[in-house]
Amino acid sequence: AQSVAQPEDQVNVAEGNPLTVKCTYSVSGNPYLFWYVQYPNRGLQFLLKYITGDNLVKGSYGFEAEFNKSQTSFHLKKPSALVSDSALYFCAVRDQGTNAGKSTFGDGTTLTVKP
Amino acid sequence: SQTIHQWPATLVQPVGSPLSLECTVEGTSNPNLYWYRQAAGRGLQLLFYSIGIDQISSEVPQNLSASRPQDRQFILSSKKLLLSDSGFYLCAWSVSGGGAADTQYFGPGTRLTVL
Repeated sequence: AQSVAQPEDQVNVAEGNPLTVKCTYSVSGNPYLFWYVQYPNRGLQFLLKYITGDNLVKGSYGFEAEFNKSQTSFHLKKPSALVSDSALYFCAVRDQGTNAGKSTFGDGTTLTVKP
Repeated sequence: SQTIHQWPATLVQPVGSPLSLECTVEGTSNPNLYWYRQAAGRGLQLLFYSIGIDQISSEVPQNLSASRPQDRQFILSSKKLLLSDSGFYLCAWSVSGGGAADTQYFGPGTRLTVL
């Protein structure tokens, strides 16, 4: 079984400050981890993923995420937040043994960046 | 490049009426296809996934069904809608034959309101 948790429903940061959106996961094997962003009434947009290798993954729009196996975490980060980063963010996990790419998504974290 | 389309964008239907939502993918062959439902702007629930024509798996027993009449067309249907079917329906695709590491790419979604 696989599961993912996003412990914060809401994250508020000031523009220009660093941001972190948290994600923890549980899988029986090794994980593949994904971050997506969703703007209001839109589909999800892929930001980045961790497959293997370097624990720090860089993605779109200046976002990055750090895979920490011992803490089973994959937190999303950005050094300097923009107002336009305000959106709903989803973490997803997939066990490497999963067929057909079936993912489990977190409940989402709403990021609000204030000017 | 690949693109994914969904229609209609919004739909208001009375309880007990039928439903047909359509998803098409361009620029790729034999993709894996997925239907998700997002309730109240939060987490995603996988409803169906398909690895090929006439190969559809249901994840959650419910009032909905899915069909794949063509390689790149995925349809979500219901014979009689319930109030609880309201939500934001998202179609996604991933590369054919890919493993669990493959990224899912989402369509723009259909907002369904059942009255």
